[in-house]
Amino acid sequence: DAGITQSPRYKITETGRQVTLMCHQTWSHSYMFWYRQDLGHGLRLIYYSAAADITDKGEVPDGYVVSRSKTENFPLTLESATRSQTSVYFCASRARAGGKNIQYFGAGTRLSVL
Amino acid sequence: QQQVKQSPQSLIVQKGGISIINCAYENTAFDYFPWYQQFPGKGPALLIAIRPDVSEKKEGRFTISFNKSAKQFSLHIMDSQPGDSATYFCAATVTLKTSYDKVIFGPGTSLSVIP
Repeated sequence: DAGITQSPRYKITETGRQVTLMCHQTWSHSYMFWYRQDLGHGLRLIYYSAAADITDKGEVPDGYVVSRSKTENFPLTLESATRSQTSVYFCASRARAGGKNIQYFGAGTRLSVL
Repeated sequence: QQQVKQSPQSLIVQKGGISIINCAYENTAFDYFPWYQQFPGKGPALLIAIRPDVSEKKEGRFTISFNKSAKQFSLHIMDSQPGDSATYFCAATVTLKTSYDKVIFGPGTSLSVIP
C-alpha cells in the first residue's frame, strides 16, 4: 500500500523498558517527522529527518532516539519508557505541492506505559 | 511567540448549521496557515490552507478567513454534516532554513455534528 505505515498500532509496555515504533513510507520523501499527540497540546514535534543519516531535534526530544539509515524508514526509540511518554505517536513525511510543503501522516501508534 | 491558540476546544453543531473554529498567533514570521482534519483512529490530513497575503480561501463547504492585522484566522464549515465530525487543528508554518519549515499546531477542536 502506498503511503505511510506505522507499526505497531497499539503498544503496552512497562516503565523502564525500551520500545521502538516503526515508520515506513513508500514515496521516497526526503523529510520525515515524529510527533506526539496529547489532549490539549495538539501535535508536538519530537524529531525530524531531512534525509538518510540526517536527523535533528524538535520541540520535545528528551527520552527519544531516532535513526534513519534508509530513506523509507524512520524508527523512533524510547530508550527507557516513562509514564509521561504515554501518548499517541504520529509519523509524517513531507511533499512539495503548489509551492508549499505538505505533511502526510500515518495512522498513529497508541502507546501506554504502565 | 511560537504558539498557536485555538478555540473552542469542542463544538457541537446541528446538521446544516455553520461550524466556526478560531485561531490566533503572535509570530509575524509565520508564512503559511494550514488546517488539518483528523478522524478517530486516523492521522491528521491536510484540509485547506491559506497564505497571509490572502484574506479568504474557499474550497467547497470549507472557508478560511484570514485577518493579518489581528493575527487571527478561522475555519468556517458551511452546511455542516455528520461526516464532518472530527478533530480540527489549525497550524502555522515558519521557514527556519532552506527547505525546512517548522509547523506549529494548535491544540485542536473536537467537532460533533448532530442530525
